[in-house]
Amino acid sequence: GQQLNQSPQSMFIQEGEDVSMNCTSSSIFNTWLWYKQDPGEGPVLLIALYKAGELTSNGRLTAQFGITRKDSFLNISASIPSDVGIYFCAGPPRRVVNYGQNFVFGPGTRLSVLP
Amino acid sequence: AAGVIQSPRHLIKEKRETATLKCYPIPRHDTVYWYQQGPGQDPQFLISFYEKMQSDKGSIPDRFSAQQFSDYHSELNMSSLELGDSALYFCASSLGSVSYEQYFGPGTRLTVT
Repeated sequence: GQQLNQSPQSMFIQEGEDVSMNCTSSSIFNTWLWYKQDPGEGPVLLIALYKAGELTSNGRLTAQFGITRKDSFLNISASIPSDVGIYFCAGPPRRVVNYGQNFVFGPGTRLSVLP
Repeated sequence: AAGVIQSPRHLIKEKRETATLKCYPIPRHDTVYWYQQGPGQDPQFLISFYEKMQSDKGSIPDRFSAQQFSDYHSELNMSSLELGDSALYFCASSLGSVSYEQYFGPGTRLTVT
């Protein structure tokens, strides 16, 4: 069943605005990954977080691993039209028991950028 | 940089037919994952392989099977196809012994009519 929640589900913003979205879980995650998916294409890895409290940037994107290890945040600064897409958080839902452990994905946040 | 390769990109099958999807991981990646994504849904984990052995299993129907070969490529075999199997199928790869970071292929769009 679904173990991750993302909010907001969708957002419409003006080009140039900053964007914030988050991902929460009822259980502890040891790793958070953020992906962006364009329609009909494969998800693209944006940022990986491995440590509680960690703050990592990738260009205009910044993500944080929540202190409780039950949440993560993604911020996009100065949005541009190509930021349009669906942003997923994901991670392995339990302590590592073997390599190749499965991932769960959040339901996604759909971002639309208005010119 | 080389990415994950999936073939075919599009596939149309009729009900009760079989289909085989192929995945070629990023060079030196030892772990392959398969996901199914329905319209408007998030990717659902099906199965994974590490060093040619099944590693983890998700919501994969019994009609589906998969394996990872000696060259690390993987195939997802789907039999007795149903209309509900129509979806995007993604393969992802990682260096499983080192990192959780999964890199996705472009997907195969399967349509069952």
